[in-house]
Parts: sequence; C-alpha cells; structure tokens
Amino acid sequence: EVELLESGGGLVQPGGSLRLSCAASGFTFSNYAMSWVRQAPGKGLEWVASIGDRPINTYYADSMKGRFTISRDNSNNILYLYMSSLRADDTATYYCAKETESSGYYPFDYWGQGALVTVSS
Amino acid sequence: DTQMTQSPSTLSASIGDRVTITCRASQSISTWLAWYQQKPGKAPRLLIYKASSLESGVPSRFSGSGSGTEFTLTISSLQPDDFATYYCQQYNDYWTFGQGTKVEIK
Repeated sequence: EVELLESGGGLVQPGGSLRLSCAASGFTFSNYAMSWVRQAPGKGLEWVASIGDRPINTYYADSMKGRFTISRDNSNNILYLYMSSLRADDTATYYCAKETESSGYYPFDYWGQGALVTVSS
Repeated sequence: DTQMTQSPSTLSASIGDRVTITCRASQSISTWLAWYQQKPGKAPRLLIYKASSLESGVPSRFSGSGSGTEFTLTISSLQPDDFATYYCQQYNDYWTFGQGTKVEIK
C-alpha cells in the first residue's frame, strides 16, 4: 500500500525558514517523480514544486522560485521541501504527492495527509 | 502560463441527479487534464486522468470528456459520498489547478 507521510510543519515567523519531509513507502520511490502542492486555509489547490526521478530535474511555481527548494533522497525514500523567506501568504497545508510517471508532466495518483505551515509573528 | 477556470463555483444537487462540471483552459492542453475530488480535511483523490480515463477504484458513475480547451466531469447519479469539492488540473505545461467546484446537498 502506498503511503506518504509529511512532517516538519509548524509555526514560523515571517522571513524564517522551514524544511518539510515526506517519507514514502509501498512503491519504488526512485522510479517516480514527486511533487508538493499546497492549500491555503479555505482556498484551492496550488502546485508548488516537482522533482523527477533523477534529482537534476526540478520545477517550481513562479511565486516559489528562489525561495523554495525541492530535493529527494532515493536511498531513504524521502522527499524534501526547504522553504525560506517565508511570508504570511505561504500559510497553508502542504501536501506531498506521487506522480504517475518518472519525469515530465503527469497527474498525482497518491497524496499524503498534509503538513500545516503557519507563518505568523 | 495556462490558466484553468471551472464553472460553476458551487453546485446544489440532490441524490440521483446528473451533475456536470466544466473546466476551461486558457490555451490548448490536448487531453492532458485530470480531475480530483477533495473532502473537508482530507487530501485530494485522483478520479480521472488524460481527460477521460477512469482511475482504478473510482466508481463508473464518474466520467470525463473533452479536449483542447473545454472539458467536463459528469457524475451520472449523485450519491451521498459524492458531496465534495472537485478540481480540474492541467499537466500539459507544468501543473495548474482550477479554483474548484463545491457540490452541495440541495
């Protein structure tokens, strides 16, 4: 059974940084691209970043470029999202999601339960 | 960037109703479109991919159609478990979600 378990969320001050982790199990992690999607309270879904099976292929939404970094550890089946220069409008639940293929643009067939990040002083 | 626009934003329907949600892309995305269902406090669930392909385990009352810039999600006979918010997503050029359609009980 595929499982994605996010951790690392919490309260952070504006301008601060935070690293989210997503532990994957139940599938061959190194064979699939992975993504982060966020959802602000009461709002819709927003794609954040994606990484191919090979870590050299990374993609970011424009508003996250230069502030967020997606990475992966294929030896330990973990996906990361490092977030810096955080702003109040980054407050959201961050979901880890598995893509259906190894690279390129594909839909997300499995999602984690989400990690809440609150940016506030 | 490809923008996705869903309509309506909210839909009130009764059990057994046929429900249709529309999604329009700002430019052609061929059939690179997915639909997701999300219930309050839960992660989204993939329903449809490549515009009309049903994800494994999804009930057959869900169907998708369209290509280019206009797409629809249809629920043939609305069931109690279907009251949720539905999102379209293009994956032709990066990934973009529609703003969502909430299906409420009439």
